[in-house]
Amino acid sequence: GAVVSQHPSRVICKSGTSVKIECRSLDFQATTMFWYRQFPKKSLMLMATSNEGSKATYEQGVEKDKFLINHASLTLSTLTVTSAHPEDSSFYICSARSDRGQKETQYFGPGTRLLVL
Amino acid sequence: AQSVSQHNHHVILSEAASLELGCNYSYGGTVNLFWYVQYPGQHLQLLLKYFSGDPLVKGIKGFEAEFIKSKFSFNLRKPSVQWSDTAEYFCAVNEKGGKLIFGQGTELSVKP
Repeated sequence: GAVVSQHPSRVICKSGTSVKIECRSLDFQATTMFWYRQFPKKSLMLMATSNEGSKATYEQGVEKDKFLINHASLTLSTLTVTSAHPEDSSFYICSARSDRGQKETQYFGPGTRLLVL
Repeated sequence: AQSVSQHNHHVILSEAASLELGCNYSYGGTVNLFWYVQYPGQHLQLLLKYFSGDPLVKGIKGFEAEFIKSKFSFNLRKPSVQWSDTAEYFCAVNEKGGKLIFGQGTELSVKP
């Protein structure tokens, strides 16, 4: 149980285009999901907290207009990188917190590697 | 603000050696503590977690961690490592309902 999927796993796009990444909790409901960014040989940096039915909460320094988050249902959150630039190239990871049981545990998706040319 | 510190950036061990990875956090209140592992090319997996109760927590794959409140520490241990334990290990902390704060990660390389 507690499986989180992400799609796509890899994406290459041209500078200036937008990319949408999906995060799904497959076997549980998640009112709250999180989006992280991981740089090579670095830790995970929380970008934003995604709440179903309400606006996402962004961390300091993260541009909300550039990284659009939509949490349309209890099993799906999307991150859209708008007008992507090469510096947005990174590994984006989502996690989901179950609405049941031990709610403090986050389950992580496999990540999406974005390369902006 | 909360912070999590992992002192070892890269640890290299031979198979069957014992492992201890340090993790310290800074927060005076009640916290939840986690260790995650990221195998090469794979996603983060939960190794073990501490919420309350017995400070010695046993996780998957023979790992355990001990919460020492007075030292603000949650060190990860394994008595005998295997080559398959080669991975990146992350300590993480959150206060109840709060966001998860990760340490910098420790890369473990186990030589066969």
